[in-house]
Amino acid sequence: QKEVEQDPGPLSVPEGAIVSLNCTYSNSAFQYFMWYRQYSRKGPELLMYTYSSGNKEDGRFTAQVDKSSKYISLFIRDSQPSDSATYLCAKGRGTSYGKLTFGQGTILTVHP
Amino acid sequence: NAGVTQTPKFRVLKTGQSMTLLCAQDMNHEYMYWYRQDPGMGLRLIHYSVGEGTTAKGEVPDGYNVSRLKKQNFLLGLESAAPSQTSVYFCASSTLTGLAEPLSYEQYFGPGTRLTVT
Repeated sequence: QKEVEQDPGPLSVPEGAIVSLNCTYSNSAFQYFMWYRQYSRKGPELLMYTYSSGNKEDGRFTAQVDKSSKYISLFIRDSQPSDSATYLCAKGRGTSYGKLTFGQGTILTVHP
Repeated sequence: NAGVTQTPKFRVLKTGQSMTLLCAQDMNHEYMYWYRQDPGMGLRLIHYSVGEGTTAKGEVPDGYNVSRLKKQNFLLGLESAAPSQTSVYFCASSTLTGLAEPLSYEQYFGPGTRLTVT
Protein backbone atom coordinates (compact mmCIF):
# COMPACT_ATOMS: atom_id res chain seq x y z
CA GLN A 1 0.00 0.00 0.00
CA LYS A 2 1.33 3.42 -0.94
CA GLU A 3 1.73 5.90 1.88
CA VAL A 4 -0.34 8.48 0.01
CA GLU A 5 -3.10 7.38 -2.35
CA GLN A 6 -4.76 9.73 -4.78
CA ASP A 7 -7.34 8.98 -7.45
CA PRO A 8 -5.67 9.96 -10.74
CA GLY A 9 -8.98 10.82 -12.38
CA PRO A 10 -9.29 12.36 -14.85
CA LEU A 11 -11.94 14.62 -13.41
CA SER A 12 -13.94 16.87 -15.72
CA VAL A 13 -16.32 19.54 -14.39
CA PRO A 14 -18.19 22.53 -15.83
CA GLU A 15 -17.06 26.04 -15.06
CA GLY A 16 -18.44 27.27 -11.74
CA ALA A 17 -18.67 23.83 -10.16
CA ILE A 18 -17.30 22.96 -6.75
CA VAL A 19 -14.42 20.54 -7.10
CA SER A 20 -13.41 18.05 -4.44
CA LEU A 21 -9.98 16.44 -4.67
CA ASN A 22 -9.07 13.76 -2.17
CA CYS A 23 -6.16 11.75 -0.82
CA THR A 24 -5.80 9.07 1.81
CA TYR A 25 -2.68 8.32 3.77
CA SER A 26 -1.60 5.26 5.69
CA ASN A 27 0.88 6.48 8.27
CA SER A 28 -0.36 8.82 10.95
CA ALA A 29 3.14 9.98 11.93
CA PHE A 30 2.97 12.90 9.57
CA GLN A 31 2.30 16.39 10.72
CA TYR A 32 1.55 18.52 7.72
CA PHE A 33 0.02 18.20 4.30
CA MET A 34 0.52 20.16 1.12
CA TRP A 35 -1.34 20.68 -2.10
CA TYR A 36 0.48 21.49 -5.31
CA ARG A 37 -0.90 22.49 -8.69
CA GLN A 38 1.01 21.44 -11.80
CA TYR A 39 0.20 22.80 -15.23
CA SER A 40 1.15 20.73 -18.24
CA ARG A 41 4.92 20.59 -18.76
CA LYS A 42 5.58 22.86 -15.76
CA GLY A 43 6.92 22.38 -12.25
CA PRO A 44 4.59 21.87 -9.27
CA GLU A 45 3.42 25.10 -7.67
CA LEU A 46 2.69 25.22 -3.95
CA LEU A 47 -0.98 26.05 -3.38
CA MET A 48 -1.38 25.65 0.35
CA TYR A 49 -0.51 23.50 3.28
CA THR A 50 -2.25 22.45 6.47
CA TYR A 51 -1.22 20.91 9.72
CA SER A 52 -2.67 17.54 10.59
CA SER A 53 -5.16 19.01 13.02
CA GLY A 54 -6.75 21.86 11.06
CA ASN A 55 -8.43 23.29 8.00
CA LYS A 56 -7.27 26.21 5.93
CA GLU A 57 -8.96 28.53 3.47
CA ASP A 58 -7.29 30.70 0.84
CA GLY A 59 -9.58 32.45 -1.60
CA ARG A 60 -11.46 29.83 -3.62
CA PHE A 61 -9.39 27.00 -2.14
CA THR A 62 -10.01 25.12 1.10
CA ALA A 63 -7.74 22.38 2.40
CA GLN A 64 -9.20 19.98 4.95
CA VAL A 65 -7.74 17.13 7.00
CA ASP A 66 -9.71 14.36 8.69
CA LYS A 67 -7.29 12.53 10.97
CA SER A 68 -9.79 9.91 12.09
CA SER A 69 -10.18 8.57 8.55
CA LYS A 70 -6.70 9.62 7.36
CA TYR A 71 -8.29 11.67 4.60
CA ILE A 72 -7.21 15.01 3.15
CA SER A 73 -9.23 17.11 0.73
CA LEU A 74 -8.88 20.18 -1.42
CA PHE A 75 -12.05 22.02 -2.40
CA ILE A 76 -12.13 24.52 -5.23
CA ARG A 77 -15.15 26.82 -5.32
CA ASP A 78 -16.36 28.55 -8.49
CA SER A 79 -13.94 26.54 -10.59
CA GLN A 80 -12.43 28.24 -13.65
CA PRO A 81 -10.88 26.87 -16.85
CA SER A 82 -7.57 28.22 -15.54
CA ASP A 83 -7.85 25.68 -12.70
CA SER A 84 -7.33 22.88 -15.23
CA ALA A 85 -4.16 21.16 -14.08
CA THR A 86 -2.86 18.18 -12.15
CA TYR A 87 -3.27 18.49 -8.39
CA LEU A 88 -0.77 16.73 -6.16
CA CYS A 89 -1.22 16.06 -2.47
CA ALA A 90 1.82 15.48 -0.28
CA LYS A 91 2.56 14.85 3.34
CA GLY A 92 5.56 15.72 5.43
CA ARG A 93 6.91 15.18 8.89
CA GLY A 94 8.51 17.89 10.93
CA THR A 95 11.57 15.80 11.76
CA SER A 96 12.34 14.70 8.20
CA TYR A 97 14.10 17.79 6.79
CA GLY A 98 11.17 18.76 4.64
CA LYS A 99 11.00 15.50 2.71
CA LEU A 100 7.59 14.98 1.17
CA THR A 101 5.71 11.88 0.09
CA PHE A 102 3.44 12.55 -2.88
CA GLY A 103 0.26 11.05 -4.20
CA GLN A 104 0.00 10.20 -7.89
CA GLY A 105 -1.83 13.40 -8.74
CA THR A 106 -5.39 14.04 -10.02
CA ILE A 107 -5.89 15.48 -13.51
CA LEU A 108 -8.62 18.13 -13.45
CA THR A 109 -10.28 19.74 -16.45
CA VAL A 110 -12.72 22.62 -16.04
CA HIS A 111 -14.60 23.20 -19.27
CA PRO A 112 -16.34 26.48 -20.14
CA ASN B 1 14.40 36.66 -7.82
CA ALA B 2 14.35 33.61 -10.08
CA GLY B 3 13.46 31.02 -7.41
CA VAL B 4 14.59 27.55 -8.47
CA THR B 5 16.14 27.13 -11.91
CA GLN B 6 17.22 23.97 -13.71
CA THR B 7 19.64 23.36 -16.55
CA PRO B 8 19.14 21.93 -19.15
CA LYS B 9 15.42 21.91 -19.96
CA PHE B 10 15.64 18.95 -22.34
CA ARG B 11 18.22 16.29 -23.07
CA VAL B 12 18.45 13.09 -25.08
CA LEU B 13 21.12 10.59 -24.10
CA LYS B 14 22.22 7.27 -25.45
CA THR B 15 22.44 4.31 -23.09
CA GLY B 16 25.72 4.40 -21.19
CA GLN B 17 26.34 8.12 -21.58
CA SER B 18 26.75 10.37 -18.56
CA MET B 19 25.39 13.79 -17.75
CA THR B 20 24.88 16.27 -14.92
CA LEU B 21 21.73 18.20 -14.18
CA LEU B 22 22.21 21.53 -12.46
CA CYS B 23 19.82 23.10 -9.97
CA ALA B 24 20.23 26.59 -8.57
CA GLN B 25 18.16 28.50 -6.02
CA ASP B 26 18.43 32.11 -4.95
CA MET B 27 16.21 31.94 -1.84
CA ASN B 28 19.00 31.00 0.58
CA HIS B 29 17.22 27.73 1.42
CA GLU B 30 19.07 25.14 3.46
CA TYR B 31 17.36 22.08 2.03
CA MET B 32 17.37 20.89 -1.55
CA TYR B 33 15.90 17.85 -3.28
CA TRP B 34 15.89 15.95 -6.54
CA TYR B 35 12.72 14.14 -7.65
CA ARG B 36 11.74 12.20 -10.72
CA GLN B 37 8.20 12.17 -12.07
CA ASP B 38 6.87 9.26 -14.10
CA PRO B 39 3.32 8.63 -15.34
CA GLY B 40 1.20 7.00 -12.65
CA MET B 41 4.03 7.16 -10.10
CA GLY B 42 3.83 10.71 -8.85
CA LEU B 43 6.97 12.42 -7.63
CA ARG B 44 9.63 10.21 -6.08
CA LEU B 45 12.58 11.50 -4.10
CA ILE B 46 16.01 10.55 -5.48
CA HIS B 47 18.43 12.37 -3.17
CA TYR B 48 18.31 15.35 -0.88
CA SER B 49 20.63 17.71 0.96
CA VAL B 50 20.21 19.40 4.32
CA GLY B 51 23.10 21.79 3.83
CA GLU B 52 26.26 22.59 1.95
CA GLY B 53 28.50 19.55 1.71
CA THR B 54 25.86 17.07 2.90
CA THR B 55 23.69 14.70 0.86
CA ALA B 56 21.47 11.71 1.63
CA LYS B 57 19.57 9.03 -0.28
CA GLY B 58 15.88 9.26 -0.94
CA GLU B 59 13.40 6.67 -2.14
CA VAL B 60 14.97 5.84 -5.54
CA PRO B 61 18.71 6.69 -5.41
CA ASP B 62 20.19 3.86 -7.50
CA GLY B 63 21.99 5.02 -10.64
CA TYR B 64 22.29 8.63 -9.46
CA ASN B 65 24.85 10.66 -7.57
CA VAL B 66 24.59 14.17 -6.18
CA SER B 67 26.80 16.92 -4.86
CA ARG B 68 26.18 20.17 -3.00
CA LEU B 69 29.42 22.09 -3.01
CA LYS B 70 27.69 25.45 -2.70
CA LYS B 71 24.56 26.24 -0.74
CA GLN B 72 22.72 27.53 -3.79
CA ASN B 73 23.53 24.64 -6.13
CA PHE B 74 22.56 20.97 -6.15
CA LEU B 75 23.86 18.72 -8.93
CA LEU B 76 22.39 15.41 -10.03
CA GLY B 77 24.64 13.06 -11.98
CA LEU B 78 23.92 10.03 -14.09
CA GLU B 79 27.13 8.08 -14.59
CA SER B 80 25.82 5.52 -17.08
CA ALA B 81 22.35 6.36 -18.31
CA ALA B 82 19.76 3.61 -18.78
CA PRO B 83 16.37 3.74 -20.57
CA SER B 84 14.70 3.30 -17.15
CA GLN B 85 16.00 6.76 -16.27
CA THR B 86 13.86 8.37 -18.93
CA SER B 87 11.78 10.76 -16.86
CA VAL B 88 11.11 14.35 -15.92
CA TYR B 89 13.46 15.51 -13.16
CA PHE B 90 12.51 18.21 -10.72
CA CYS B 91 14.66 20.03 -8.25
CA ALA B 92 13.16 21.67 -5.19
CA SER B 93 14.32 23.69 -2.24
CA SER B 94 12.71 24.36 1.09
CA THR B 95 12.95 26.38 4.23
CA LEU B 96 11.58 25.88 7.71
CA THR B 97 8.41 27.96 8.05
CA GLY B 98 8.73 28.49 11.79
CA LEU B 99 10.10 27.11 15.02
CA ALA B 100 6.75 26.29 16.61
CA GLU B 101 5.53 22.72 16.60
CA PRO B 102 4.59 21.12 14.35
CA LEU B 103 7.58 22.02 12.21
CA SER B 104 6.79 22.42 8.54
CA TYR B 105 8.69 23.32 5.42
CA GLU B 106 7.55 25.17 2.33
CA GLN B 107 9.00 23.44 -0.68
CA TYR B 108 9.37 25.14 -4.05
CA PHE B 109 10.04 23.44 -7.36
CA GLY B 110 11.97 24.24 -10.49
CA PRO B 111 10.55 23.94 -14.03
CA GLY B 112 11.95 20.46 -14.65
CA THR B 113 14.33 18.70 -17.03
CA ARG B 114 12.92 16.24 -19.57
CA LEU B 115 15.42 13.45 -20.09
CA THR B 116 15.11 10.71 -22.68
CA VAL B 117 17.55 7.80 -22.73
CA THR B 118 17.53 5.76 -25.94
